[in-house]
Amino acid sequence: GQNIDQPTEMTATEGAIVQINCTYQTSGFNGLFWYQQHAGEAPTFLSYNVLDGLEEKGRFSSFLSRSKGYSYLLLKELQMKDSASYLCAAMDSNYQLIWGAGTKLIIKP
Amino acid sequence: DSGVTQTPKHLITATGQRVTLRCSPRSGDLSVYWYQQSLDQGLQFLIQYYNGEERAKGNILERFSAQQFPDLHSELNLSSLELGDSALYFCASGQGATSEIPLVNEQFFGPGTRLTVL
Repeated sequence: GQNIDQPTEMTATEGAIVQINCTYQTSGFNGLFWYQQHAGEAPTFLSYNVLDGLEEKGRFSSFLSRSKGYSYLLLKELQMKDSASYLCAAMDSNYQLIWGAGTKLIIKP
Repeated sequence: DSGVTQTPKHLITATGQRVTLRCSPRSGDLSVYWYQQSLDQGLQFLIQYYNGEERAKGNILERFSAQQFPDLHSELNLSSLELGDSALYFCASGQGATSEIPLVNEQFFGPGTRLTVL
């Protein structure tokens, strides 16, 4: 079956760095997406990885290892506004997104 | 603003009733996806339409149905509503093409319709 695993909840301190991990098992693979979702709002696109390695975009970076079925989202210089859920989604061979349940990130002052 | 619109924003109804949720995709997007998100739960994929045709089905109940019209807007119909159907219903749009070009596969989400069944 197809499956995405990510931690349910994480807590970090303002100004610090946090890494949110995601492992996936899909029928075929056509890339991995990270979305941010604030409570009660729509998810918004953060990143897409299809090749191994690290993609950096400002304070956010995303890493992919296809051989390990593993990705992480790295958030630096955390701000209170980063408190949100972070959704990992893998695209399978049919170009369908398989979504994880999301990681709720709590930022403390 | 993603460019995807959904109406209504809020809907309160009673068990056993039927409602219709509407979605207008971004200009140029051929694909529409419907998702259900219950309180503190992840996104549950319901169904995808591409240029008027059903392309993929997820965990959609038989009481639910959807369609995409020639102008590409889509409607999700929920019938015989139960208390457990209370949730946020998101519509997303994208080009839905089969390609490894990343932005082609990105989904843009509307603001959602919050359905409360009493």
